[in-house]
This record gives sequence, C-alpha cells and structure tokens, in this order.
Amino acid sequence: AQSVTQLDSQVPVFEEAPVELRCNYSSSVSVYLFWYVQYPNQGLQLLLKYLSGSTLVESINGFEAEFNKSQTSFHLRKPSVHISDTAEYFCAVSGGNAGNMLTFGGGTRLMVKP
Amino acid sequence: ETGVTQSPTHLIKTRGQQVTLRCSSQSGHNTVSWYQQALGQGPQFIFQYYREEENGRGNFPPRFSGLQFPNYSSELNVNALELDDSALYLCASGRGPNQPQHFGDGTRLSIL
Repeated sequence: AQSVTQLDSQVPVFEEAPVELRCNYSSSVSVYLFWYVQYPNQGLQLLLKYLSGSTLVESINGFEAEFNKSQTSFHLRKPSVHISDTAEYFCAVSGGNAGNMLTFGGGTRLMVKP
Repeated sequence: ETGVTQSPTHLIKTRGQQVTLRCSSQSGHNTVSWYQQALGQGPQFIFQYYREEENGRGNFPPRFSGLQFPNYSSELNVNALELDDSALYLCASGRGPNQPQHFGDGTRLSIL
C-alpha cells in the first residue's frame, strides 16, 4: 500500500520569496513521484516527475523537486514565486509502473501575496 | 495535439439516478484512468483501462463501472447516485501503463 502526506494544507508567501512545499510518501515498492498543479476550476497539470536517474528534477517554470529515498520525501521548491503561481499543488506516487494508479496527497494551497 | 477532453463540464442529478461521464483520451494514448476529487481533497483512483480491459481498481463500490472503446475513449457510469458522489471526476490518459498520465479538466457532478 502507498500513502502520501503533504505536511502543509496552506502556504502563504510574499511575491519573489522562496517557497518549499513538503511531501513525504510511504511505499513497499519502488516508486515514481509526481507533482501536479491545479488552478481554480481546472484539472491537474503535470508539473514535474521523478521516474529514474538524477534525483533533482526541474520544471520549465522554475520549480524543482528532489527525490530523497532515505527520507522518503519529494519536496517542491521555487527560489522566487510569482502571483501566477497561486494554485493547489498535489504530490502523487505510483508504484511498479509510472502509469499505474496514482495515490495523491491532500494538497497544499500556495497563496502568493503582493 | 488535442489533450484530454471530458464531457459534460457540469452535471446536476438527484439521489438514485444514474449518470454517464465521457472522456476522450489524448492522441496516441491507450490507457485511461478515472479519479474522484471531493471538495478540498486530493483525487482518489477509481479504475484504469488499458486496451479496453480494466487494469486496476481502487476502493469504489461496483455501482461505479466503466468502459473503454476501440478508439481509447472511455465512459464512467455511476448507478444509484448518493449525495457523497458529489465531486469533480477527472479522467487521465497515458501512452501506456508505464507512462505518466495527463489529466482533463474534469466533470463537476452535483447530487441534490
């Protein structure tokens, strides 16, 4: 069985400040890890993924996440946030295959203030 | 490249009714998964279809059923609707069981 814990339900931050959204997982098999972003009244957009290889993965809009196997974590970071980053962020894990069922965390609402 | 499309976008039903939600997978994708997202929560896996066969199921009762068609589009059917079925229903498609999934914008189902 797999589970995902997002430790913060809401993260308020000022524009241009750095941010970290925390994600911890548990799984009995090798995992694939994902971050999805959800804007209001929309579906989920894949932000970045860890499938194999380098433990540091980056997205095109400045986010990065690091897979830490010993701490079973996959925290999401951005050095400088914008107002447009305001959204709900979901960490997810799948086991066995990257396309298998995704187990999601409860989400973290990032609120960027001017 | 057309992404994952879902219809309808919104739907209102009453308890006991039946509903069918539809999903067109992204071009080149042959797996479709369905998720239920209750308000304020993360999505929960309902089931996945791969090449028209069910390829995994989450903890949902049998009144949740599905189909995948030869063109890889899919339907989610829910019978005997209950108030707790009110949620955003998300469809996701992928190039195969070992490839990441891409989501549509969902169908918001309200049960009165």
